[in-house]
Amino acid sequence: DAGITQSPRYKITETGRQVTLMCHQTWSHSYMFWYRQDLGHGLRLIYYSAAADITDKGEVPDGYVVSRSKTENFPLTLESATRSQTSVYFCASSEGRVNTEAFFGQGTRLTVV
Amino acid sequence: GDSVTQMEGPVTLSEEAFLTINCTYTATGYPSLFWYVQYPGEGLQLLLKATKADDKGSNKGFEATYRKETTSFHLEKGSVQVSDSAVYFCALKLAAGSARQLTFGSGTQLTVLP
Repeated sequence: DAGITQSPRYKITETGRQVTLMCHQTWSHSYMFWYRQDLGHGLRLIYYSAAADITDKGEVPDGYVVSRSKTENFPLTLESATRSQTSVYFCASSEGRVNTEAFFGQGTRLTVV
Repeated sequence: GDSVTQMEGPVTLSEEAFLTINCTYTATGYPSLFWYVQYPGEGLQLLLKATKADDKGSNKGFEATYRKETTSFHLEKGSVQVSDSAVYFCALKLAAGSARQLTFGSGTQLTVLP
C-alpha cells in the first residue's frame, strides 16, 4: 500500500531495554523525520534525514539513534529506554521543497515501565 | 529561534458555531505555513497551507490567511460540526536552511457538541 507506515502501533518495554520503532514510506521522499508528541509540548523533532545516509539531530535527540541505509526506511532506536521516553512517536516524510507538506504515519504509542 | 504560538485550549463549541483558532509565528525569512488536524488515535493530516504572504488556504470549510504584517495564520470556520472535533496544529516550514522540518505549535483541542 502507498503511504507511510509505522510499526509497531503500540509497545510496552522495560526501563533499560533497547527498542526500535520502524518507519517505511513508499513515495521515495527525500526527507524523513521523527517527532515525539507529549501533552503540552505539541510535536518535537527528534531526528531528521535529508537523504539516505544523511541524518541530523533535531530538538530532542538525547537517548535516540537513527539510521537511513535505504531511502524508504528510517528506524528510530532507543538504546536504553527511560520512563521519560514514554510518548507517542510519529514518523513523517516530505519532498525537499519548502512549500510541500509532510505526510505522517499513524504513530507508535510507547510506554516504558 | 523559530516558533509557533497557538491559542490554548481546550475549546468547546456548539454545532454550527463560528470557530477561530489563533496562530502567530516567529521566523527568519518567509516560511510556509500549515494547519494540520489530528483525529483521536490517528496521525496528523494536512488541513490547509499557504506558502506566501496574503495567500489564503482553504479546505473542508476551514480557511486561514497568511498575514505577514501580523505574523499570523488564524484558522477559521463559519459553522463547525461534531465531526470537526479534533486537535488542530499550526506549523511553519522555513525557506532557508537544509532541515526542511515542520515546527509545530502546542495544539488546540476542539470539541463540538451537538
